[in-house]
Amino acid sequence: QAQLVQSGTEVKKPGASVKISCKASGYTFTSYDISWVRQAPGQGLEWMGWISPYNGKTNYAQRLQGRVTMTTDTSTSTAYMELRSLGSDDTAVYYCARVDNSGLLDYWGQGTLVTVSS
Amino acid sequence: DIVMTQSPDSLAVSLGERATINCKSSQSVLYSSNNKNNLAWYQQRPGQPPKLLIYWASTRKSGVPDRFSGSGSGTDFTLTISSLQAEDVAVYYCQQYYSTPRTFGQGTKVEIK
Repeated sequence: QAQLVQSGTEVKKPGASVKISCKASGYTFTSYDISWVRQAPGQGLEWMGWISPYNGKTNYAQRLQGRVTMTTDTSTSTAYMELRSLGSDDTAVYYCARVDNSGLLDYWGQGTLVTVSS
Repeated sequence: DIVMTQSPDSLAVSLGERATINCKSSQSVLYSSNNKNNLAWYQQRPGQPPKLLIYWASTRKSGVPDRFSGSGSGTDFTLTISSLQAEDVAVYYCQQYYSTPRTFGQGTKVEIK
């Protein structure tokens, strides 16, 4: 059974950066893309992009281009998402999810709360 | 970008009654090469990550109770819970995986009346 375990809660000041980890287990890490989705408090789901652990290719949401970087470490089966120049509207729960071969988000991490506050 | 619009935003249904959620996409999500609709439904219980319920618009993920069903094609889709149970209280999201950026509906909150 696939499992994704994310790093813990973060509190950041405006203008800072945050880097969240997502450790995969229970499947071959390089066989499935990892997507990142965020959810502001009381709001819906926003797709941020994805990365292929196989070849490192990425596809980012246009509105986050230039501020987001997704990477992977295949030696530890861990995906990372870094978001820079944080503003208050980046306060959200950030989820990683495995992308199956059809593009579905079939397994999700537990979420990481990022709070941006001065 | 494909815009996904759900209706209603919320609904309250008595236990054992039917709940129906609609989802409309701004353009067709029917993939002509395999004649499948790239439309999924997710359930998000309070304090939990989303969980995949249905894909290809009408295929239940293994382990999902058969009271959940999906229908529709092209731009109009429906998620039906045939007999609402207490554990179905959640927010339900449709999502298209036809093109990037992947987009979600705004969510429909289902509560017990």
